[in-house]
Amino acid sequence: DTEVTQTPKHLVMGMTNKKSLKCEQHMGHRAMYWYKQKAKKPPELMFVYSYEKLSINESVPSRFSPECPNSSLLNLHLHALQPEDSALYLCASSQGSGADLQFFGPGTRLTVL
Amino acid sequence: GDSVTQMEGPVTLSEEAFLTINCTYTATGYPSLFWYVQYPGEGLQLLLKATKADDKGSNKGFEATYRKETTSFHLEKGSVQVSDSAVYFCALTTTGYSTLTFGKGTMLLVSP
Repeated sequence: DTEVTQTPKHLVMGMTNKKSLKCEQHMGHRAMYWYKQKAKKPPELMFVYSYEKLSINESVPSRFSPECPNSSLLNLHLHALQPEDSALYLCASSQGSGADLQFFGPGTRLTVL
Repeated sequence: GDSVTQMEGPVTLSEEAFLTINCTYTATGYPSLFWYVQYPGEGLQLLLKATKADDKGSNKGFEATYRKETTSFHLEKGSVQVSDSAVYFCALTTTGYSTLTFGKGTMLLVSP
């Protein structure tokens, strides 16, 4: 299984809502990533988990809260988002966290009203 | 810091035309180089990779050669198809670091 899955595929939420994005991989990878991608732009790294510990936080606002319950799962909890947070959120995983090939999921298309 | 520069798009071609998308990079250390493709409404898929100088990555008719002397990793395909229409991202990662540095992406539009 060489797939990264993400749910939901689409999400619409209001600015006062709390929601979560989920990502799962069964490749035995020990590093997982969250990226944000705006239209016509490359992905921007948000968070990196290595061996279930947060290793990189790219100065992301606290309204985004990552969680890694185990080595196969990665969540992104969303609270009090702004309309400018509307984007495609991509999850990725890699064998390790150093220069390893990253496999991307299909993404969650988030719209904040 | 590390950076990747790609040619501006969109690149518009007719089916069966030859494709080149230029990519040059600046990096400390010894980067691994990648091309990712993003089809409309989808996530990123790895197209090909090269991990050291003079390596040639290839997949689905696409090729790219890691040229250390010119710090380049240009993507080529001999005969494009309509189904190749997508955005192509050149990227690098440096040994010991977990972050991918992406170029801005190049949109390819292939018409029948």
